[in-house]
Amino acid sequence: QKEVEQDPGPLSVPEGAIVSLNCTYSNSAFQYFMWYRQYSRKGPELLMYTYSSGNKEDGRFTAQVDKSSKYISLFIRDSQPSDSATYLCAMNKAAGNKLTFGGGTRVLVKP
Amino acid sequence: DVKVTQSSRYLVKRTGEKVFLECVQDMDHENMFWYRQDPGLGLRLIYFSYDVKMKEKGDIPEGYSVSREKKERFSLILESASTNQTSMYLCASSPLGVTGASGNTIYFGEGSWLTVV
Repeated sequence: QKEVEQDPGPLSVPEGAIVSLNCTYSNSAFQYFMWYRQYSRKGPELLMYTYSSGNKEDGRFTAQVDKSSKYISLFIRDSQPSDSATYLCAMNKAAGNKLTFGGGTRVLVKP
Repeated sequence: DVKVTQSSRYLVKRTGEKVFLECVQDMDHENMFWYRQDPGLGLRLIYFSYDVKMKEKGDIPEGYSVSREKKERFSLILESASTNQTSMYLCASSPLGVTGASGNTIYFGEGSWLTVV
């Protein structure tokens, strides 16, 4: 079983809808949680990060971490066609150098 | 602006050829990485380097080697390319201790699409 599980999708939503993405993980040592966005034929880029449990909001994006359930989420409000991309969750232990990535969820926002 | 540059974006090589994928970063990062990304398999770490001339195997090192002679440059070598190495290869760099905060994250290049025929 993989350390980090993520539904591959695709997740297709109409423009303006809320997109809900999530990852589950098995290693309780993970403390730093990140979401990367990857457009087609491009490298991933960091979208949001959180440390330990809690919520973090940045514009239309909200990241949530529930360490007790080993579950993280990313919500995109008022989704736009430009949000169409693959979203990868990533996690790290304290002072670690190598992230553990989920497999990525492909999101399609239709106009 | 942060930059990880992969010299070749699209390559077609023949089975058995030696292939070099070059990567340069301009952020003075200690860590450099090579990943491959395949549909349904996600990102898989091939090799990791935390300092010049230092390297560590990742999850799928078989069939690959790496070289880091200078801090800014990390090369991936396929000694004898095979068709199952057809993939997108991503180079990345980061400072020590990736947390995500204040730019302390992994920065990726644009990717190199390798086809082995």
